[in-house]
Amino acid sequence: QKEVEQDPGPLSVPEGAIVSLNCTYSNSAFQYFMWYRQYSRKGPELLMYTYSSGNKEDGRFTAQVDKSSKYISLFIRDSQPSDSATYLCAMRTQGGSEKLVFGKGMKLTVNP
Amino acid sequence: EPEVTQTPSHQVTQMGQEVILRCVPISNHLYFYWYRQILGQKVEFLVSFYNNEISEKSEIFDDQFSVERPDGSNFTLKIRSTKLEDSAMYFCASSVETGVQYFGPGTRLTVL
Repeated sequence: QKEVEQDPGPLSVPEGAIVSLNCTYSNSAFQYFMWYRQYSRKGPELLMYTYSSGNKEDGRFTAQVDKSSKYISLFIRDSQPSDSATYLCAMRTQGGSEKLVFGKGMKLTVNP
Repeated sequence: EPEVTQTPSHQVTQMGQEVILRCVPISNHLYFYWYRQILGQKVEFLVSFYNNEISEKSEIFDDQFSVERPDGSNFTLKIRSTKLEDSAMYFCASSVETGVQYFGPGTRLTVL
């Protein structure tokens, strides 16, 4: 089983739709969970950062972590064409290793 | 807003040549990282650097690779003898502590 799995899509939605992006993971030692947005041939840009389980909201974005299921989600409300990008989940353990382990990324297109 | 910068944006080199990729991390950050992303694949951790020494490296980071912080602002990745399979986007990242990592825009390395 891969350490972090993410459906690469692509996903195409109409403007205004609610988007749900998900990752599963196998390493129960992961404690920090991040979502990055990456535009074509650019660097990953941090969107959301959560520690351990729970929800975090920032504007139109909500991140959820369910450690019991080893499942994380990013919801985008009222999606806009400017949200069109690749969304990467990333995670790391607490203490010890500093490396981020990434999912493959989901390519999202929001159509006007 | 402070950001990580990288130069050059695109580097083309011949197989067997040495390349140096340069990064200027965010000024008050203490931890520095290199990642790479082969086209169509996941972002992969290469190395982390703290207090002027490597703190962690991946299996990819073999003897062909080295990192250096030659002065108070730059952080470099050197590939001694490039191979075709080194062609990728290389991302530098930095963090204040072992937490959220902020990424630069990347250097696209093409090995011919």
